[in-house]
Amino acid sequence: EADIYQTPRYLVIGTGKKITLECSQTMGHDKMYWYQQDPGMELHLIHYSYGVNSTEKGDLSSESTVSRIRTEHFPLTLESARPSHTSQYLCASSPTGGDSPLHFGNGTRLTVT
Amino acid sequence: GESVGLHLPTLSVQEGDNSIINCAYSNSASDYFIWYKQESGKGPQFIIDIRSNMDKRQGQRVTVLLNKTVKHLSLQIAATQPGDSAVYFCAENSGAQKLVFGQGTRLTINP
Repeated sequence: EADIYQTPRYLVIGTGKKITLECSQTMGHDKMYWYQQDPGMELHLIHYSYGVNSTEKGDLSSESTVSRIRTEHFPLTLESARPSHTSQYLCASSPTGGDSPLHFGNGTRLTVT
Repeated sequence: GESVGLHLPTLSVQEGDNSIINCAYSNSASDYFIWYKQESGKGPQFIIDIRSNMDKRQGQRVTVLLNKTVKHLSLQIAATQPGDSAVYFCAENSGAQKLVFGQGTRLTINP
């Protein structure tokens, strides 16, 4: 049973549109992450947050931005979508303190035409 | 830079057989490793983890082995079932709670 929710599951939009991918978790986790994944390929970290008002860029350069105003919510925004942004975007969270696995949502599959 | 990779992109086994999925990592300072299972259309699902002070850890039908000398990680799945068909990723903690993922191995269970 997923405790981390991503919406929409699928999104097809035209070039130049602004979009926001939603991610919410009900586990009270301080740490949240966004990964980008092409089909069957490895995951690449694009943004992460260690708590409210904390956001950092990941290892993979991305034109997206994130915000963390509430603990449970970590939306990702693309100001002007391009075909190169077509991918799957996975949100994850983990608790603070010690080593612990990330809990993933089921992702948003984005297609930019 | 640091990276985590898998030796084989695909693996097919007969139902009921055991399977072994391998992973090589390059960051000798990594101290925490995780195996994930990803089914089609879903996010990665945690299977088992291991810390660097251990060389073996067992779960239900799964065992993870860690060889720090050669920087090698493996996942053994016993008595495979059709539901085990998925892509399996290893991941290492590269520091600051950021996980680095390998390329994934697609496991197919043949009836």
